[in-house]
Formats: sequence, C-alpha cells, structure tokens
Amino acid sequence: TQLLEQSPQFLSIQEGENLTVYCNSSSVFSSLQWYRQEPGEGPVLLVTVVTGGEVKKLKRLTFQFGDARKDSSLHITAAQPGDTGLYLCAGAGLSGGSNYKLTFGKGTLLTVNP
Amino acid sequence: KAGVTQTPRYLIKTRGQQVTLSCSPISGHRSVSWYQQTPGQGLQFLFEYFSETQRNKGNFPGRFSGRQFSNSRSEMNVSTLELGDSALYLCASSLGDPARGYTFGSGTRLTVV
Repeated sequence: TQLLEQSPQFLSIQEGENLTVYCNSSSVFSSLQWYRQEPGEGPVLLVTVVTGGEVKKLKRLTFQFGDARKDSSLHITAAQPGDTGLYLCAGAGLSGGSNYKLTFGKGTLLTVNP
Repeated sequence: KAGVTQTPRYLIKTRGQQVTLSCSPISGHRSVSWYQQTPGQGLQFLFEYFSETQRNKGNFPGRFSGRQFSNSRSEMNVSTLELGDSALYLCASSLGDPARGYTFGSGTRLTVV
C-alpha cells in the first residue's frame, strides 16, 4: 500500500499550458515537501509546507497543503520546457510518528514540449 | 558551499559480493539519511543518522547497514548482494529538522549482475 498517492503518474503538455499535480494520503503528516528530480541526479527541494491550509508560491509554482494535512497539490502556470522532470511529494512525521524520515510518493513525470 | 557528495557515482558488482557507498554531507549538517530508488518502488527510506546515532530505520533486511563518523560523513554497506539490490542509492543531509527539507546528493547507481 502506497501511503502517498500521486496523480497523474505521467503528464505531457505543451509549453504555456497550466497543470496541477496531486498528492493524497489517508494519513496525517506533520509536514510535506515537494522535490523535482532530473535524470541522473538527486531530488532538489522546491518547498516545505507545515501548516494545514498553507499556500506557498514560488514564481510560477503554487503549492497547497490540505486543511487536514493529508494532501497537497502543486500547480504550475504557463509551463516551460525547463519545468520538465519528476515531481515528488514527500511527507515527514507520518501520523505523529518519527519525523526523521520522509515517505515519498512515486512521482509525477512531467514533460513540457516546446 | 559544497553540496552533498556521494561516491562512487557508478558501481557494478556481482551477486553475492558486498559494497560500501560513501556520503559527505553539507558542512554543518549533522543528519544523513539514505534512500533506495527503483522504478517500481520509487524512493524508499533505508536509515537516518544524527551525530553518529541511528535515529530511524526503514523496512530493509539486515544486509543493509550504515554508520556515521564524527565528521558527519556516512557510509552504507550492503552485504551478499542480490539482483534486486540494483538501484540508485541517494544520500540526503539536513540540519536535523525535517521540516526544513533535505539536500540530496546525485546518488550512486549500483548494478548487480
């Protein structure tokens, strides 16, 4: 059973389009993080959200943490080819348990075509 | 400042052998975590060390072990390698507060033949 479900698994869009990636769980996390990974490299941290209902913006990227701290979304406006990569959500502090590990979703592979 | 350094980048081993992977965290980071990434399972947590103490361990067999040295560098060892151990092994360092996020290295690509 995957604790963090990401959808969609694959996404191929044209440059300039908007998109939303979802990360859902039946469990509560104390914080949730989003990473982007490019081929042959490790994941790079984009944002951490801690408070239920929190919204954070990073240029064209908007991240939201659900009120119940069980889900999150990543919205990209006017996608560019440079946004191509594997987007991973990761939760820390599953159900009030140990904070010292991340539980990852399987990722959304985004391809933005010029 | 220098990022997280993992060595070697690529490794090919034969089934039954053992392997040691190394990770040097960002200067000042005392927490080092290890993850295994495979196409089928994604990223899975192996273990986390803070100031030379293992604080958490994932659901991997005892063939997977690790340690951390006084300078925060960490090593991960896998004994009696199996074909299924082929994966990208990622090391992540942090100040110790998970809410502040992790910095990952580029990983070691291990292939077991």
